[in-house]
Amino acid sequence: QKEVEQDPGPLSVPEGAIVSLNCTYSNSAFQYFMWYRQYSRKGPELLMYTYSSGNKEDGRFTAQVDKSSKYISLFIRDSQPSDSATYLCAMSTDYGQNFVFGPGTRLSVLP
Amino acid sequence: NAGVTQTPKFRILKIGQSMTLQCTQDMNHNYMYWYRQDPGMGLKLIYYSVGAGITDKGEVPNGYNVSRSTTEDFPLRLELAAPSQTSVYFCASSSETAYGYTFGSGTRLTVV
Repeated sequence: QKEVEQDPGPLSVPEGAIVSLNCTYSNSAFQYFMWYRQYSRKGPELLMYTYSSGNKEDGRFTAQVDKSSKYISLFIRDSQPSDSATYLCAMSTDYGQNFVFGPGTRLSVLP
Repeated sequence: NAGVTQTPKFRILKIGQSMTLQCTQDMNHNYMYWYRQDPGMGLKLIYYSVGAGITDKGEVPNGYNVSRSTTEDFPLRLELAAPSQTSVYFCASSSETAYGYTFGSGTRLTVV
């Protein structure tokens, strides 16, 4: 079993749809969770950072962590073509370091 | 504020050649990392450093070497390049107080 699993997609949705991206993990000691967005031929950029369980909202993006199920989600509301990218989840037991990355989900938002 | 700078952006190497991928950060981050990214495989950690003079192996270190003589620089050395090292290489940095990693824009390497 891989430490962090993520559906690679591709996921295609129409503009304006609500997108749900998910990761599952096996290490119950993970406490710090991140979501990165990576545009084609660019480096990943940090989108959301959450600690432990619960929800965090930032504009159209909501990150959700369910530690009891070892499951994290990223929701994108009112999706835009500019949201088309690969989304990587990452998690760690330590603040600021030793993050393990999922393989990424490729998202296409169609105008 | 440049963040993390990687050079070169692209390189084609012949089998058996060597090269150094450069990485510099200007955020005074203690931690630096080298990842490779292959299609559908996510980011694999090659080497990392927790401070000047300290380096350690990651998940896929074979065929690579690193050094960290200053806080700012973390070069990755490829010796005797092989086709299996064809990949996109990302350098990243972080600190005890920073949210997450800051990544460079990557080096796209092809070994033929």
